[in-house]
Amino acid sequence: AQRVTQPEKLLSVFKGAPVELKCNYSYSGSPELFWYVQYSRQRLQLLLRHISRESIKGFTADLNKGETSFHLKKPFAQEEDSAMYYCALRLGQAGTALIFGKGTTLSVSS
Amino acid sequence: DAGVTQSPTHLIKTRGQHVTLRCSPISGHKSVSWYQQVLGQGPQFIFQYYEKEERGRGNFPDRFSARQFPNYSSELNVNALLLGDSALYLCASSPAGAYNSPLHFGNGTRLTVT
Repeated sequence: AQRVTQPEKLLSVFKGAPVELKCNYSYSGSPELFWYVQYSRQRLQLLLRHISRESIKGFTADLNKGETSFHLKKPFAQEEDSAMYYCALRLGQAGTALIFGKGTTLSVSS
Repeated sequence: DAGVTQSPTHLIKTRGQHVTLRCSPISGHKSVSWYQQVLGQGPQFIFQYYEKEERGRGNFPDRFSARQFPNYSSELNVNALLLGDSALYLCASSPAGAYNSPLHFGNGTRLTVT
């Protein structure tokens, strides 16, 4: 079955430390992966997607099909990065149907 | 940009009742999707509508139904409410129906079933 796993419920780091939010997926076809973020009292919003291969707010994510992973990384965490992060998988050309992981809360303290 | 708007923001219903949730997409967006988010979980796909036609349906019982209107707004209906239907219901719109269309989410409707 198709599945997205985010193994960490909470990740706490100090400001300036590197961050890696883990995401593994289960899907035998050609996946499209996303990271969505929800800041406190704001709506869920797209952070980045693998097909864009871009860096947003210093975050990057590389799709590793061999390890079926799409980990989110940032070399130096900032306090404003504190939020809930969701990894999501779109199956092939399944329109807007995304499978979300359970999310990881990132807490960055000074 | 007004963003995706959902109404009501909060709702309390009794088991067995039915509920209608409403969503207005961003102007120019023709696709609307509905997601259910239970506490502690990620959003789970319920429906997608594009150009007023159902384009996708998640693993939800027939008690859940939806429709899209000519102005692209949408309603989600849930009949015979169960306690387990208590959740945050998210609406998302996108410019087109499929590939390369990022989703823009609303703030959600918090449904509590007692």
